[in-house]
Parts: sequence; structure tokens; C-alpha cells
Amino acid sequence: DTAVSQTPKYLVTQMGNDKSIKCEQNLGHDTMYWYKQDSKKFLKIMFSYNNKELIINETVPNRFSPKSPDKAHLNLHINSLELGDSAVYFCASSHTPLASGGRMFRETQYFGPGTRLLVL
Amino acid sequence: DAKTTQPNSMESNEEEPVHLPCNHSTISGTDYIHWYRQLPSQGPEYVIHGLTSNVNNRMASLAIAEDRKSSTLILHRATLRDAAVYYCILRGSNYKLTFGKGTLLTVNP
Repeated sequence: DTAVSQTPKYLVTQMGNDKSIKCEQNLGHDTMYWYKQDSKKFLKIMFSYNNKELIINETVPNRFSPKSPDKAHLNLHINSLELGDSAVYFCASSHTPLASGGRMFRETQYFGPGTRLLVL
Repeated sequence: DAKTTQPNSMESNEEEPVHLPCNHSTISGTDYIHWYRQLPSQGPEYVIHGLTSNVNNRMASLAIAEDRKSSTLILHRATLRDAAVYYCILRGSNYKLTFGKGTLLTVNP
């Protein structure tokens, strides 16, 4: 059973197009994330939602708009695609981290297989 | 976010132990030390995490220096499947994982 799934796996498109990537998790988590891994393999967080509310919004162009219809889904819509958007996009999910007695619980992030986006 | 420093690459032989070092001299008292790995063409995968004490799980062991300024991920018997990029990450009391360049581990048969 797939824990965190993304569709599509590959996406090839022209500059200027609008596209969406979908993410679903069946782990019962309430926090979901989008990461971008560029050609140099740096992995950077873009957004995070907790219980459908945006909690992390890194410096990302407003052409990128995440949408969380429910706790199990976090989709990423990209408008007016540019060459520099070519990358691998990873979705991840986790429980809401809890801190108790000096220990952190339930914070492991589970990543999807990635969506390889190529903008021509 | 506090920074970590790892060697760019390391090499090991199959069935031998591997010690992957990480320096984090600016670690704060509330930062947890996390290790994730990324196998070729896959998403990152959690390995282990700790705060002050050494930690063991089915995948690896984490040895944390007494001053917490460095840590070592230990794979007790490397397999070919362990070839991956290993990321050492400091995580504070927020949701963010800030990935660095990591260490590319090559395992020779």
C-alpha cells in the first residue's frame, strides 16, 4: 500500500502553461509538505499545511499555489511555467510534531516518490 | 536554521560498518539531530533522530557527542541497498526540515 502518492510521476510541458501536481497520503497525518529538488540536488521546503491551514510559506513565487481540500490531500498548482521551474517536486506528510518532557514525538516525515517536471 | 557540515562522499565495502560524520557546532539546546537518506530516484526516507543520548533502531545507530556539536550515523553492516545520499539535519521546534548537500555513500560489492 502506497503511503504518500503523487501524480503524475513525470510532467513535460511548455513554458507559459499551467499545471497541477496532486498528492495524497493514507497515513492519517494532519501535516503535509511540498519540497523542490533542483538540478543540483538541493532539497528545499516550499509549503506546509497543518489541518488544511498554511503554516510554512517559504519565498516561493506566487505562481505556485498549494491547495489542501482535506487533510489527506495537498495539491500544487503552478501558473505560467518557466524554465527554472524544472525540478523534482516531492510531497511529504507527518503528524503534528508534539513536544513533551523534552522529547519530540510523531515528527517523522514520509516522502512521496516525486514528480519530475520538465519545462521546455 | 543551524547549519550542518558533512563530507561530500564516502565509500564503503559491503558487509562492513560505515560511520557517517556530521558537524553542527552552532546547534541550539532545542535542536534535534535528524538523519534522512535518499536512494537514487526516490524521495527521502527517515533513518533516525536524537537529542542528547545515543539512539538505536533497526536501520542504524546515532552517536551524539557529549557537547552535541557533532554526531555520527552508524550503519552496522552496509549493503548495496544502503547506497544513497545521507542528510544530517537539525530541526528546531517547527515543522521545517532544512536539507544540506548530504554525503553520497557508495557501497562496493
